[in-house]
Amino acid sequence: GAGVSQTPSNKVTEKGKYVELRCDPISGHTALYWYRQSLGQGPEFLIYFQGTGAADDSGLPNDRFFAVRPEGSVSTLKIQRTERGDSAVYLCASSWDTSTYAEAFFGQGTRLTVV
Amino acid sequence: DQQVKQNSPSLSVQEGRISILNCDYTNSMFDYFLWYKKYPAEGPTFLISISSIKDKNEDGRFTVFLNKSAKHLSLHIVPSQPGDSAVYFCAARMSGNTPLVFGKGTRLSVIA
Repeated sequence: GAGVSQTPSNKVTEKGKYVELRCDPISGHTALYWYRQSLGQGPEFLIYFQGTGAADDSGLPNDRFFAVRPEGSVSTLKIQRTERGDSAVYLCASSWDTSTYAEAFFGQGTRLTVV
Repeated sequence: DQQVKQNSPSLSVQEGRISILNCDYTNSMFDYFLWYKKYPAEGPTFLISISSIKDKNEDGRFTVFLNKSAKHLSLHIVPSQPGDSAVYFCAARMSGNTPLVFGKGTRLSVIA
């Protein structure tokens, strides 16, 4: 597709369950970012991939959160033992290079609700 | 500690008038500043940006001003249109492809 695609668009899960959120970046974009947006807040950085490797995972809140990008394209954000506080919109973005001025294109997000 | 602050959660402007959205930052290492626009159920969309070596960047109805000494930037929209109604996020990054740091956003309502 032409833009960043995230699936599912909505996910409701029970507390304690495991979830996976998928991001398909724009073809050819080498950088991929995950952000989390809670109600009334701006997007908060979670993790950044350059190619297949995580260049910066300093935003992951704890070890229940993990992300992979095995072939340098699609990425999956994995959350173990979900908690109600994990409820948020999870946004993925990609950009075509590593320069300061590379524009980041965002997907529509996955709204995660933990009940 | 919020490095990018948007102190006005909302702003209401009449159609045809100027909208001014403000943003303050604390990190003097920020090198690049961006404004994103977000409609409900959509991801943020890039609007306009400015490098730290400039003080003004204009694109059609949108102009961003940067005052480095005050660590302040603003987005001017003129004339405002009803379709501009959205949440506007200010964001900043340091040199290199470092993560964007976002403010909390300002909800702009343009009234016809």
